Amino acid sequence: ILNVEQSPQSLHVQEGDSTNFTCSFPSSNFYALHWYRWETAKSPEALFVMTLNGDEKKKGRISATLNTKEGYSYLYIKGSQPEDSATYLCAPPNYGGSQGNLIFGKGTKLSVKP
Amino acid sequence: NAGVTQTPKFQVLKTGQSMTLQCAQDMNHEYMSWYRQDPGMGLRLIHYSVGAGITDQGEVPNGYNVSRSTTEDFPLRLLSAAPSQTSVYFCASRPGHPSAPLHFGNGTRLTVT
Repeated sequence: ILNVEQSPQSLHVQEGDSTNFTCSFPSSNFYALHWYRWETAKSPEALFVMTLNGDEKKKGRISATLNTKEGYSYLYIKGSQPEDSATYLCAPPNYGGSQGNLIFGKGTKLSVKP
Repeated sequence: NAGVTQTPKFQVLKTGQSMTLQCAQDMNHEYMSWYRQDPGMGLRLIHYSVGAGITDQGEVPNGYNVSRSTTEDFPLRLLSAAPSQTSVYFCASRPGHPSAPLHFGNGTRLTVT
């Protein structure tokens, strides 16, 4: 089972602040890295799936970068808004196991204060 | 566009009772999975299936059974409920390729007393 670490565990920012958090994963046998956004009382929704070293993806004010050689990905939120409050999960497929099952980190919980 | 549908949304069981959590998807996805979410533990994989007739165990399979008789349905059975199975359960599906994102159902909140 892969060891996936996310930091920080939680983050409190003011509206308008830009923020970033980290996902660390084993760099060997890398296949892909998924990011999900999970709002309270809802279900996780996919943000990005990243596969290439140096990949950068963007969706509105949210972007992510990937370094497969050192085993980390950053998620950035520019100009945070209260509606960005959620838990952000990263997950590499456990390709060393079977069928690319996603192994989720425990997430970074972001709270944006108006 | 229904996506992944889970029923029921809430359930209370007594220790020792059995029940089935239902999951259905209408996207013709090959892969389906069940996760449980517990405070401080994140999402943990219970069972998964890569197609009709094929199932396998995830990280925390004990106390649960699954079957996949059709592409659309992937029910999760609790054989004899225990308080340790109190959790929120999510069903998720995706196309066959592991780079495809998971689509999650809305979850089932289960309490075992």
